[in-house]
Amino acid sequence: TQLLEQSPQFLSIQEGENLTVYCNSSSVFSSLQWYRQEPGEGPVLLVTVVTGGEVKKLKRLTFQFGDARKDSSLHITAAQPGDTGLYLCAGLGGNKLVFGAGTILRVKS
Amino acid sequence: NAGVMQNPRHLVRRRGQEARLRCSPMKGHSHVYWYRQLPEEGLKFMVYLQKENIIDESGMPKERFSAEFPKEGPSILRIQQVVRGDSAAYFCASSPRLAGTDNEQFFGPGTRLTVL
Repeated sequence: TQLLEQSPQFLSIQEGENLTVYCNSSSVFSSLQWYRQEPGEGPVLLVTVVTGGEVKKLKRLTFQFGDARKDSSLHITAAQPGDTGLYLCAGLGGNKLVFGAGTILRVKS
Repeated sequence: NAGVMQNPRHLVRRRGQEARLRCSPMKGHSHVYWYRQLPEEGLKFMVYLQKENIIDESGMPKERFSAEFPKEGPSILRIQQVVRGDSAAYFCASSPRLAGTDNEQFFGPGTRLTVL
């Protein structure tokens, strides 16, 4: 069974601080996707990383896929209150996405 | 370009009733996936369908749950004789092509099922 461990589970920081969310597994995934989910809504795709060692940037968000394609990280620079939400990593295993438990981020102004 | 549509957004059923959840994929997408998000738990895969075919149902409970994706119309997730433990958010996702290394799945807003 493929599992993704996401950490931390909860993060509360002040506006302007930097943060990193980690997603780790003992399994290799063909790709890894990061989503953000607001209360009462579905996950919204932020980025897909495919190649080992790949780094993608989306404004203040930087996503990295580990060389062995088993782990990934999301780094947010100068967090803003609008970044508050649930961040989910998901690895593509065969036909299905295997999700981590999520990181609840709260950015205080 | 409309996204994945799900209805109803909220559904209340009494124990023993049937629940039918509908999902219309994004335009041009022929692959549909259903996931369930139980309270305090992460999203779990249930089933993967293409038009008129169930490809992978390894995440579906063995009893009371079924899914279809007919040639015409939306995909349906059907739960018979619902129990309180079925209360959850059910999400549908769609993708445009066969699962592959760059497969991206786009999610609908979900149906929140409450069983009284």
